Amino acid sequence: GQQLNQSPQSMFIQEGEDVSMNCTSSSIFNTWLWYKQDPGEGPVLLIALYKAGELTSNGRLTAQFGITRKDSFLNISASIPSDVGIYFCAGQLFPGAGSYQLTFGKGTKLSVIP
Amino acid sequence: DAGITQSPRHKVTETGTPVTLRCHQTENHRYMYWYRQDPGHGLRLIHYSYGVKDTDKGEVSDGYSVSRSKTEDFLLTLESATSSQTSVYFCAIKYNTGELFFGEGSRLTVL
Repeated sequence: GQQLNQSPQSMFIQEGEDVSMNCTSSSIFNTWLWYKQDPGEGPVLLIALYKAGELTSNGRLTAQFGITRKDSFLNISASIPSDVGIYFCAGQLFPGAGSYQLTFGKGTKLSVIP
Repeated sequence: DAGITQSPRHKVTETGTPVTLRCHQTENHRYMYWYRQDPGHGLRLIHYSYGVKDTDKGEVSDGYSVSRSKTEDFLLTLESATSSQTSVYFCAIKYNTGELFFGEGSRLTVL
């Protein structure tokens, strides 16, 4: 099946630092979504992107839909301890086969050192 | 709150026994999904439904079946559970905008 390459797999940062993670694919997507998952809970949607080049913010989070439609990044500014968790990217293929499914990256595990 | 609940939240069972997980939604969404989550594999799609009695396979459908007899309920069945099916199972619903909203998960342990 389709795969998204999400990096980094894990990161340790100091509180207050900025964070950047990204996802790339060999396929074109028409939607990019970013989720955060806390331990023992389901993924929670952070940001949704629908247009190539789109830059969207949600508080300290900023995400962009790559111009090529094959990548996306998520930035977190001034990290705080509650940012700890696993962040997933997900993409929906350009309409066609599998267009009703989301493909997920394997996640970036973020640890914040106070 | 996307109005989605999963039951049971935790289950321990023995190899060879049947198991059914239930996903219930209150918002009348057409698309519903079952994923499993395992370390190192992320979220993998098992089956999905695009309407009552309309279902299709995902990438890891072997050993699983689903049913959707009414819009609000999507059932995932393991006919004969195996240890490799020990996992956390997530149900999700899809909004018309393409976004998926997830339930809180069902942790299944097969001994």
